[in-house]
Amino acid sequence: QKEVEQNSGPLSVPEGAIASLNCTYSDRVSQSFFWYRQYSGKSPELIMSIYSNGDKEDGRFTAQLNKASQYVSLLIRDSQPSDSATYLCAVTYFGNEKLTFGTGTRLTIIP
Amino acid sequence: GAVVSQHPSRVICKSGTSVKIECRSLDFQATTMFWYRQFPKQSLMLMATSNEGSKATYEQGVEKDKFLINHASLTLSTLTVTSAHPEDSSFYICRGSGGSKDTQYFGPGTRLTVL
Repeated sequence: QKEVEQNSGPLSVPEGAIASLNCTYSDRVSQSFFWYRQYSGKSPELIMSIYSNGDKEDGRFTAQLNKASQYVSLLIRDSQPSDSATYLCAVTYFGNEKLTFGTGTRLTIIP
Repeated sequence: GAVVSQHPSRVICKSGTSVKIECRSLDFQATTMFWYRQFPKQSLMLMATSNEGSKATYEQGVEKDKFLINHASLTLSTLTVTSAHPEDSSFYICRGSGGSKDTQYFGPGTRLTVL
């Protein structure tokens, strides 16, 4: 069974620091990787997508993918209180648009 | 970016009634619609995948006769929870896909409470 694992947290980070979120996946044919942010009572919103090994940066966010080790991470620089949310890692598999979600990591930024 | 709307955003109903949730893609053609359910403090669980004009494919453990999905057009998909019970109370979210990894959009979700 394809699985996506995340530390459920909660993860507390001081404002202005770097928040590091990690995700591992079990299936080597995993193709595309996504990080979603979900505020309480809201639907997920896409933060980053990454498809190849290495780093991808977008503003304060950096996604890192290592297919050999089967993990993908998200770094949030200069953390802000508005970054407090649950972060969901999601994976799709070759030829399939279905997203398999991790359980999510709850992040709290402490002012 | 593209928008997917859901209606209603919140519904409270009595046990035994049926509830229909609509999901519309407003500025793209959703060839595929995914329906998810999310219980409190849990992740999203895929219920079913529907392609326009064909029958939905349900995930293991999801009752197709209870959760009726219709995807009759490229801009509208509906999920009907039939004979709802309190255990069906959940957050239901649709996700429209235009056929590429760059056209994938979640709806805002529907909070269903069955009394």
